[in-house]
Amino acid sequence: EVQLLESGGGLVQPGGSLRLSCAASGFTFSNYAMTWVRQAPGKGLEWVSAISGSGDTTYYADSLKGRFTLSRDNSKNTLYLQMNSLRVEDTAVYYCAKVALAAADAGWFDSWGQGTLVTVSS
Amino acid sequence: HSVLTQPPSASGTPGQRVTISCSGSSSNIGSKYVYWYQQLPGTAPILLIYRNNQRPSGVPDRFSGSKSGTSASLAISGLRSEDEGDYYCAAWDDSLSGVVFGGGTKLTVL
Repeated sequence: EVQLLESGGGLVQPGGSLRLSCAASGFTFSNYAMTWVRQAPGKGLEWVSAISGSGDTTYYADSLKGRFTLSRDNSKNTLYLQMNSLRVEDTAVYYCAKVALAAADAGWFDSWGQGTLVTVSS
Repeated sequence: HSVLTQPPSASGTPGQRVTISCSGSSSNIGSKYVYWYQQLPGTAPILLIYRNNQRPSGVPDRFSGSKSGTSASLAISGLRSEDEGDYYCAAWDDSLSGVVFGGGTKLTVL
């Protein structure tokens, strides 16, 4: 059974940084791309970033403008999202999801974690 | 303002058939697969339809997807109260080099 467990969320001040982690189990982690999708309170889903199974290709939403960095450690079956220069509008539940392919350029997210809440506020 | 356009709401009575539309462009739906996600209240999204019209194992055949040109649709037949929730379409966008979601459609079972 695929399991995705996010951690690292919390309260941070505007301009601060946070690193989210997603621990994966139940599948061969390196064979699949991974992605983050966020959802602001009361709003819809917004794609954030994706990384290929090998980790050599990453994609980001234009709105992030270089503030976020996605990486993975296939030896630890863990996905990371480093978030810098956080803004109030980054407040959201951040979901980690498994892509059904090794390539990251697809909207095919076949398993989702339960999410971790990031609150950016002074 | 979402790249993919969905109606904000849809409704039906138990047993009815409802459809939810998703409109895009040539850089996304027109040339890429469409995916549909269901998000029930207070829960994480789940994959409902992949590659335009395929159902993952465990998804009832009451749910079906279709695509034509730069638009896609999700149909739900035999509507049940437990279908109440939000539905999102998604696709890769070649112009943006990223995944785009629709704004979501809130389904109410009357």
